[in-house]
Amino acid sequence: KAGVTQTPRYLIKTRGQQVTLSCSPISGHRSVSWYQQTPGQGLQFLFEYFSETQRNKGNFPGRFSGRQFSNSRSEMNVSTLELGDSALYLCASSLLDTDTQYFGPGTRLTVL
Amino acid sequence: SQQGEEDPQALSIQEGENATMNCSYKTSINNLQWYRQNSGRGLVHLILIRSNEREKHSGRLRVTLDTSKKSSSLLITASRAADTASYFCATQVTSGSRLTFGEGTQLTVNP
Repeated sequence: KAGVTQTPRYLIKTRGQQVTLSCSPISGHRSVSWYQQTPGQGLQFLFEYFSETQRNKGNFPGRFSGRQFSNSRSEMNVSTLELGDSALYLCASSLLDTDTQYFGPGTRLTVL
Repeated sequence: SQQGEEDPQALSIQEGENATMNCSYKTSINNLQWYRQNSGRGLVHLILIRSNEREKHSGRLRVTLDTSKKSSSLLITASRAADTASYFCATQVTSGSRLTFGEGTQLTVNP
């Protein structure tokens, strides 16, 4: 079974731009979560989607948004990029109400 | 915000030695999990221990959980150079909820 895939793997943007990251979960997994990893703040939860609905949201500004499609694929969008948004963005998928989350390789976003 | 702390922040050992990493957390939990991350890449799930369990084994891994102290430890026996990575503990307050991660331990296993 193929793992979680994320595209693109690397991205360079400038301040003020917006970016969209994509995540395809493991086949059959309906829950997708997003995490941000930075050297200063570590791994922080962004949001979780299940059946196209956001079930949970972390403490991030409204510039961070996401959505999930009917095939469970998910996208997250960051608008008006700031230097501090430079991070590794990780997507994870899981079966409904199971505990183990399977992570993708991440998208490395650099904001200049 | 982070759930808790991991100790030590960095650990350097020789191949064949055992490595022990500790994790503390702040709230009541449903389960605690350990993940490995190689050099800024994705996280790999290692092992999960539920709040009603005290010890769990998986291959060369041994995890303990002390809910009274809100702490857990991960022991890797007979370490290999390939075990070099960052190790994170993560907790779930309820089954299937968001993961709250510790700060991580950077393990270096020297050949």
